[in-house]
Amino acid sequence: DIQMTQSPSTLSASVGDRVTISCRASQGIRAWLAWYQQKPGKPPKVLIYKASTLESGVPSRFSGSGSGTEFTLTISSLQPDDFATYYCHQYSGFPFTFGPGTKVDIK
Amino acid sequence: EVQLVESGGGLVQPGGSLTLSCAASGFTFSSYEMNWVRQAPGKGLEWISFITTTGDTISYADSVKGRFTISRDNAKNSLYLQMNSLRAEDTAVYYCARDRTHYDSSGYYYDFDYWGQGTLVTVSS
Repeated sequence: DIQMTQSPSTLSASVGDRVTISCRASQGIRAWLAWYQQKPGKPPKVLIYKASTLESGVPSRFSGSGSGTEFTLTISSLQPDDFATYYCHQYSGFPFTFGPGTKVDIK
Repeated sequence: EVQLVESGGGLVQPGGSLTLSCAASGFTFSSYEMNWVRQAPGKGLEWISFITTTGDTISYADSVKGRFTISRDNAKNSLYLQMNSLRAEDTAVYYCARDRTHYDSSGYYYDFDYWGQGTLVTVSS
């Protein structure tokens, strides 16, 4: 099975900060990676697919990069609506797996 | 408008059974592969099962293999999860999620583009 790790697990930041979240796969998954944002009590929302393609309607301050085993989600200028938990998700093969999540909270 | 509405959650004793349903509307259900994903209280997301449009290919996470069964009824626009031999560690919010396929010159790519609001399953005596 492909294991996904994320760092950091928690990130404290201020509005306007540039935020970077890392995701690592235990084996190469090419670009078969998506990023999701989840707020408390709500289902996840897709932000990025194919590692770097921005989902329609998602603000351009979000971006994704990477391939193989190393991936990054970047928020160029953190906004109040961005305080949430972020998950990476690999769909290279079964079983699909999610990273453990990165909680972005207010500094 | 695409909608996925889960139902069937509740309190069940260890060793018991429960069937979850996911009612789909606003899109051609029979054209989309579907998934179940769960989230234990205060924990992260765990993918648990996948089914193709016709049900000819099904996959499960090891944590539920042999105990859970995914199925669908395209005529009823519904997805199901039969859960048997439930354990305390199965306590979670269960989401159904639509599997979306993207295709470009470099191949196929996927994500879960629509999710239901979830249904809570609590396994406790």
